[in-house]
Amino acid sequence: GQQLNQSPQSMFIQEGEDVSMNCTSSSIFNTWLWYKQEPGEGPVLLIALYKAGELTSNGRLTAQFGITRKDSFLNISASIPSDVGIYFCAGFSGGYNKLIFGAGTRLAVHP
Amino acid sequence: NAGVTQTPKFQVLKTGQSMTLQCAQDMNHNSMYWYRQDPGMGLRLIYYSASEGTTDKGEVPNGYNVSRLNKREFSLRLESAAPSQTSVYFCASTSGANYNEQFFGPGTRLTVL
Repeated sequence: GQQLNQSPQSMFIQEGEDVSMNCTSSSIFNTWLWYKQEPGEGPVLLIALYKAGELTSNGRLTAQFGITRKDSFLNISASIPSDVGIYFCAGFSGGYNKLIFGAGTRLAVHP
Repeated sequence: NAGVTQTPKFQVLKTGQSMTLQCAQDMNHNSMYWYRQDPGMGLRLIYYSASEGTTDKGEVPNGYNVSRLNKREFSLRLESAAPSQTSVYFCASTSGANYNEQFFGPGTRLTVL
């Protein structure tokens, strides 16, 4: 079946640093989504991307839909302690309402 | 708006026991989903309901059944629980406008002994 490769698996950074993570696929997707999950909670949608090449920001978060439609990137600028959590990418490639999720990037921010 | 609610939050079962996980949404969404989340893996789709009255299998449906009771409620049933079903279960919903943007509930943490 379709798979998303998300990297890195985990990151441990200092407060104030910038963060980058990405997802790649062997298949083409027509939508990319980025979610954040905090401990004991469900994933919360951060950014949705619908067009190849699209660059979208949500506060300190910026995500891009790769030109090849097989990858996406999420950047977090000037990280703060509340950025801690697991970040998931998800792709949608048709079929009926089926999202494919990456395994997640676990982010820890040291004050 | 409460969004997507799930009950119970935690559950421990013995092998062979049955139980139903409940999910409700108050956003008037058409489509609802059940996922499971296991350590080191992304969410995997168990079943989904594109609209009231319809249900379809996802990636990992074996051992589960679902019921779309009405537009608001979508339940997941384990008829005979197995240790392999120990997981965190998430319900999600989406409107017809943006099928891709799914809203998730807080999850049910299930342990099968």
